[in-house]
Amino acid sequence: EVQLVESGGGVVQPGGSLRLSCAASGFTFDNYVMNWVRQVPGKGLEWVSLINGDGSDTKYADSVKGRFTISRDNSKNSLFLQMNGLRTEDTALYYCANKRPGWPYGIEVWGQGTMVTVS
Amino acid sequence: AGLTQPPSVSKGLRQTATLTCTGNSNNVGNDGAAWLQQHQARPPKLLSYRNDNRPSGISERFSTSRSGNTASLTISGLQPEDEADYYCSAWDHSLSAWVFGGGTKLTVL
Repeated sequence: EVQLVESGGGVVQPGGSLRLSCAASGFTFDNYVMNWVRQVPGKGLEWVSLINGDGSDTKYADSVKGRFTISRDNSKNSLFLQMNGLRTEDTALYYCANKRPGWPYGIEVWGQGTMVTVS
Repeated sequence: AGLTQPPSVSKGLRQTATLTCTGNSNNVGNDGAAWLQQHQARPPKLLSYRNDNRPSGISERFSTSRSGNTASLTISGLQPEDEADYYCSAWDHSLSAWVFGGGTKLTVL
């Protein structure tokens, strides 16, 4: 069974930092593009960042570019999101999600999320 | 630069609902949209790939299509458990980013 388990969320003051982690199991981790997607409770989904299978390519939403850094450790089947310079508008539930590379695949399996509150 | 979805749709039990998602030639019009279902307080679940095929285990009652820059999700034989939020998503080639619709809340009467 494919599982994604996020951790590392919490309450942080504006300007602070947090590092989110996602532990993956049940699939060949380094074959998949990994994503972070966030959702303010009661609101819609916002894509944050992605990293390809070997970690050589990363993309970011404009809203987090220069503040957040995505990384992965394929030896430990783990995904990370280093969040610096946090703002109140970064408050959201952060999901880790996988995606097979290329078309026609979509962001497929999602974790339960970890809540980040900036206040 | 997100995708456009109607905020809400209401249909009766056993009826058919069609949800729309409008983007542009850089995203939906380029290589289609994927659809996700999200029940209250649950993570999203992928319903369809961008070529309108369904992942394993997704009911045939869920079908998708595309015309130009607009993608559609049709849910036939509506059941109470279909009441949820539905999101479309697409890769935007000009932004190099995934974009989502704002979501449609489907109510089954």
